[in-house]
Amino acid sequence: SAVISQKPSRDICQRGTSLTIQCQVDSQVTMMFWYRQQPGQSLTLIATANQGSEATYESGFVIDKFPISRPNLTFSTLTVSNMSPEDSSIYLCSVEAQGAGGPGTGELFFGEGSRLTVL
Amino acid sequence: SQQGEEDPQALSIQEGENATMNCSYKTSINNLQWYRQNSGRGLVHLILIRSNEREKHSGRLRVTLDTSKKSSSLLITASRAADTASYFCATSSTGRRALTFGSGTRLQVQP
Repeated sequence: SAVISQKPSRDICQRGTSLTIQCQVDSQVTMMFWYRQQPGQSLTLIATANQGSEATYESGFVIDKFPISRPNLTFSTLTVSNMSPEDSSIYLCSVEAQGAGGPGTGELFFGEGSRLTVL
Repeated sequence: SQQGEEDPQALSIQEGENATMNCSYKTSINNLQWYRQNSGRGLVHLILIRSNEREKHSGRLRVTLDTSKKSSSLLITASRAADTASYFCATSSTGRRALTFGSGTRLQVQP
């Protein structure tokens, strides 16, 4: 299992500002995933963050809007840039389970999420 | 893009009743998983079923998978008020380590 801490847990932001969300894992992991969950909706993958390389973004998400850092195997940040009310969502960090499931089985552990409200 | 569609979108039952949620997906999968989310918080993994499995049990949970129909169901038996949450199916596909989530079912268990 993995314990994931996300900061902030929630924030209210002004339009046009940027906010950086931090994700800390209690063990070293190869891949970290950032998901967005808009109000009442399901989860949509923003990007996959690998240590030592550029993040891989999904269709509809761009680095200028959602820059990601992955400085080591236990930490990542997601920045939501130039926010608008449409960015109001829960942003979730997740990692793949290691051990019994093995890499690639896809079982994920999630942080508690960062709930952003943009006014 | 969203892989799975779930139905019903919302389900309200009495404590002690069984709850069944269905998930359909579009492409070939390695495995299908079910997650629970309480009140917009983080997701918790419930159960994983591989593409070569047809049924799996874990406590009060029973999951079935029909790859010919590209569908899965999650049955929660003897439901409790604490089971109130949103439930999501998620699929893992070859060459893609990130999961693709379904639209979710909001379950309300009345005490």
